[in-house]
Amino acid sequence: AQKITQTQPGMFVQEKEAVTLDCTYDTSDPSYGLFWYKQPSSGEMIFLIYQGSYDQQNATEGRYSLNFQKARKSANLVISASQLGDSAMYFCAMREYSGNFNKFYFGSGTKLNVKP
Amino acid sequence: GAVVSQHPSWVICKSGTSVKIECRSLDFQATTMFWYRQFPKQSLMLMATSNEGSKATYEQGVEKDKFLINHASLTLSTLTVTSAHPEDSSFYICSAQGLAGASYEQYFGPGTRLTVT
Repeated sequence: AQKITQTQPGMFVQEKEAVTLDCTYDTSDPSYGLFWYKQPSSGEMIFLIYQGSYDQQNATEGRYSLNFQKARKSANLVISASQLGDSAMYFCAMREYSGNFNKFYFGSGTKLNVKP
Repeated sequence: GAVVSQHPSWVICKSGTSVKIECRSLDFQATTMFWYRQFPKQSLMLMATSNEGSKATYEQGVEKDKFLINHASLTLSTLTVTSAHPEDSSFYICSAQGLAGASYEQYFGPGTRLTVT
């Protein structure tokens, strides 16, 4: 089974609007972390936001927030007030802390295009 | 923030030759480094995990003899693609986990684009 599922291969959003990128995960480990990364065309992976499985509150970092619904095993990324520079690939990732500690699982990614 | 560099950023080599890619943590000590491979428009695929001073752990399906990984110090890991073939052309990304960082900290290098002709 896929550990991380991103069902939106591509998304369009109008500049200044908010957009939600979907991510669901699969784990039986009670301790895990969820990550979102941005990858522009240059290729570098830019860390955006992190949510721990025991965190009570949804993580926020500036215009990024993570809508963490533990029971549904979803960790959607919300980008508010989209900017043209937000156009990039976005990857959701998970790390399990009890099992194979060193393993990161990445989703297939969502390509976001912000329209002026 | 923590910085990870990769060298070279891009390389073109002929089929049959070997290529070495370096991954360095510039301002922190990396106990563990990860090597990923990314094909165009696809996700990152973990190739191997390397811990300083010990042998790398390869993911299933990754040829150990073809992709040699060395993690000789706390700031340097190298990936050598031996006897490269055109199908090895890809984007290779390393990431490093800090010695004293939070459990979730993993810093990515800028990647190396390998083209084998």
